[in-house]
Order: sequence, then structure tokens, then C-alpha cells
Amino acid sequence: EIVLTQSPGTLSLSPGERATLSCRASQRVASLYLAWYQQKPGQAPRLLIYGASSRATGIPDRFSGSGSGTDFTLTISRLEPEDSAVYYCQQYGTSPSYSFGQGTKLEIK
Amino acid sequence: EVQLVASGGGVVRPGGSLRLSCAASGLTFGEYTFHWVRQIPGKGLEWVSLITWNSAGTYYRDSVKGRFTISRDNRKNSLYLQMTSLRTEDTALYYCVKEQLYASGSYAFDIWGQGTGVSVSS
Repeated sequence: EIVLTQSPGTLSLSPGERATLSCRASQRVASLYLAWYQQKPGQAPRLLIYGASSRATGIPDRFSGSGSGTDFTLTISRLEPEDSAVYYCQQYGTSPSYSFGQGTKLEIK
Repeated sequence: EVQLVASGGGVVRPGGSLRLSCAASGLTFGEYTFHWVRQIPGKGLEWVSLITWNSAGTYYRDSVKGRFTISRDNRKNSLYLQMTSLRTEDTALYYCVKEQLYASGSYAFDIWGQGTGVSVSS
């Protein structure tokens, strides 16, 4: 199973700043099969990015994804207070198998 | 609006059984692959199982193989997870999730239900 490791564990930034969240895979992941989700307290996860860089429906263009191979990044520009959440990366592999990173908690000061 | 409403969770003793249900609305249910994903309270997400649109393919994570059975009824727009021989480590919030296949060939979990809680405790 591919292990996804996210960093940092917690990120504390101010409104208007840029957040850079990392997701590193233990083996190569096809970009088509890398997604990012946002989860706020008491809510189900919400899809932000699929295919490593495509925004899901209704997601503001402040959210962007990039990367390939084993290193992927979620960037949130111009942070807003409502961006406080835990962010997860996820990969889909053969077998099939699905795995999630352990999450990055983003705090907006 | 697409909605997935999960139910059937509860408190059960180790070795017990539960059947989770997920009612879908606002979409053509029978066209999509669905999954169950769980989340231990305060922890991360863990994929549990999937079923293809026509039930021809069912897959499970290793730790639940032989104990959990996923099924669906496309006439009733419903997804199920029969859980037997439950263990304390199965305690979690269980989400039913719709898989979307995009034109690019990408897959992602685009619609999540609100989750139903399962607690396995003696």
C-alpha cells in the first residue's frame, strides 16, 4: 500500500498569507489519481482538487494543486478565516487501493 | 441537490453485527461506484470498501475482508455495509461516498454523506 505523508502537521498563518501543504508518497502516484480534501470540525470532507491540479466544482481559485511522481502540493493563496480546517491528500492505486495522508491542520490566526 | 444520508450506526459488543445503510437522492444512483470510508474520532480517514455501479466488483481493505459485506440496491437508490465480527478497532464514523470519474480519467470522492457512528465496546 502506498503511504502518504503530509507536512507540516499543523500550520498557523494569518489572513491574506499563502499556505503551502505538502503530500509525499512512498511510491510514485499517477497525477490523475491524487486528490485533496478539506474537512472542517463536525463536517464531512469536501473535495477540493482532483487529478493533482484540477479544482472541483465550486472551489475558489485561491486553491491550487501541483506536483507529480511522489511530491504533491496544495497551495491556498490569500488565506481567509474560513480556510481553517484539516486538509487531506488521497491517492487511488491499483488493486484497487485507496489511502489518505494523516492530514495537515491549518489554523488561521 | 445530491444527498447521501447514512444510518444504522450504534453501539455494539465485540463480535456483534451492524448493518449500515445510505440513501441517495438527487442523482442517477445506478451510474456510479460508491464507497464506505471511516474516520476514527479525532483521527484521519481510512478507506473501507467499494462497490461498482452494477455490483460486479466489490473490494475491501484487508482488515475487514471476510467480516464486512458491501451491497447496493439500485432500485432503492441505496448502499449498504453489513458488518459482522466487529472489533473495537472498527469504532469510527462511517461515511458513504460517491466516486466521480472525470473526463480526464481522474477519480475522486466528490460527494460525502454526513456519516453514521459505530462504537464497538464491551
